[in-house]
Amino acid sequence: GQNIDQPTEMTATEGAIVQINCTYQTSGFNGLFWYQQHAGEAPTFLSYNVLDGLEEKGRFSSFLSRSKGYSYLLLKELQMKDSASYLCAVRDRRGAGSYQLTFGKGTKLSVIP
Amino acid sequence: KAGVTQTPRYLIKTRGQQVTLSCSPISGHRSVSWYQQTPGQGLQFLFEYFSETQRNKGNFPGRFSGRQFSNSRSEMNVSTLELGDSALYLCASSLVRGGQETQYFGPGTRLLVL
Repeated sequence: GQNIDQPTEMTATEGAIVQINCTYQTSGFNGLFWYQQHAGEAPTFLSYNVLDGLEEKGRFSSFLSRSKGYSYLLLKELQMKDSASYLCAVRDRRGAGSYQLTFGKGTKLSVIP
Repeated sequence: KAGVTQTPRYLIKTRGQQVTLSCSPISGHRSVSWYQQTPGQGLQFLFEYFSETQRNKGNFPGRFSGRQFSNSRSEMNVSTLELGDSALYLCASSLVRGGQETQYFGPGTRLLVL
């Protein structure tokens, strides 16, 4: 099975930088995703890491260390609209051509003025 | 290109009834996955269909079933509804490109069981 841990809630100030951590345990790691979900809406794709290192996309960056089972999502120049839940998801290889995406319970980020 | 669509968006049922939810993936996407989202458990994987075949299944009872049609549209069915089945049901379609598979979610169907 899989175990994915991320903080339940975080608060940060507008304009600041926040880092949301995610740790995981899996036997057939095949990629890590970050999704953003605003209240009452569907999750939207933010980033994908399959190799170690940092992937940067505008104000958002995501880092992966496979040996440590660790990832983080970095949000820079925070805006009020960034208030949302951030979901870490790990793709696990289950067999030939078969994969499963398992989500953490999400980190609710509140951006305050 | 149109996104993932799900119907209906909202549904109210009573215990013991059954329900069918529909999902139309993004054009060209052949994989469709279903998830249940509740405040307490978060997003939980139900099953995945690819080319009309169930490729993967999560840890849900047999009351939860699904299928996929030749045009990649998918349906999921829940029989003998229980109060605990009240949740947001999300469908996601995906396409493998350059070795990367990204799932795109539909708006969800919010089911309330009374």
